[in-house]
Amino acid sequence: NAGVMQNPRHLVRRRGQEARLRCSPMKGHSHVYWYRQLPEEGLKFMVYLQKENIIDESGMPKERFSAEFPKEGPSILRIQQVVRGDSAAYFCASSDRPQDNEKLFFGSGTQLSVL
Amino acid sequence: GNSVTQMEGPVTLSEEAFLTINCTYTATGYPSLFWYVQYPGEGLQLLLKATKADDKGSNKGFEATYRKETTSFHLEKGSVQVSDSAVYFCALREGGGSNYKLTFGKGTLLTVNP
Repeated sequence: NAGVMQNPRHLVRRRGQEARLRCSPMKGHSHVYWYRQLPEEGLKFMVYLQKENIIDESGMPKERFSAEFPKEGPSILRIQQVVRGDSAAYFCASSDRPQDNEKLFFGSGTQLSVL
Repeated sequence: GNSVTQMEGPVTLSEEAFLTINCTYTATGYPSLFWYVQYPGEGLQLLLKATKADDKGSNKGFEATYRKETTSFHLEKGSVQVSDSAVYFCALREGGGSNYKLTFGKGTLLTVNP
């Protein structure tokens, strides 16, 4: 049973470009969570999605960031017109139910570098 | 708001040495406290947890005690192994908060040499 898969592992973008980060949850998991770790900081919650629905986006920046989890395919975190301050590690987690964080399974992260 | 402060890394130890990684927190109410571990090339995984004051979480030889009076949750292991080399994250969940809204520390890189 494959774990949570994130790709790419490393992504380099120039300022103004778009970044698309992918997360394939564990098989059978319908809940996906995105976290961001800025340099010298801890991971912070960004958004929680269920299939085709955004459940909680209270941690998402108001502009340029969006997330989706379509019926088919991976969850996508999209950052438009990236700026240097978007450079961070982005982690995805999945679960088969939302009520117990012991059952959160994390991916190994995507390191985004904005030049 | 909530915050978690971990000791600065990296920490380098010899095999069989005693490990302490300090963690203190700021939170309203009565949070639950966690330690996560990230082995090289893998995702974070839950190592141990404590949900109320004076609880001790333990797993794989690691222990941490929830100290409300000092707002701390220090991670300890009596004898580390090379296989314990990883990044360790302290985290909290606000009491009554959503289970996925964890607040993490910056992480502490531990390297254990043979």
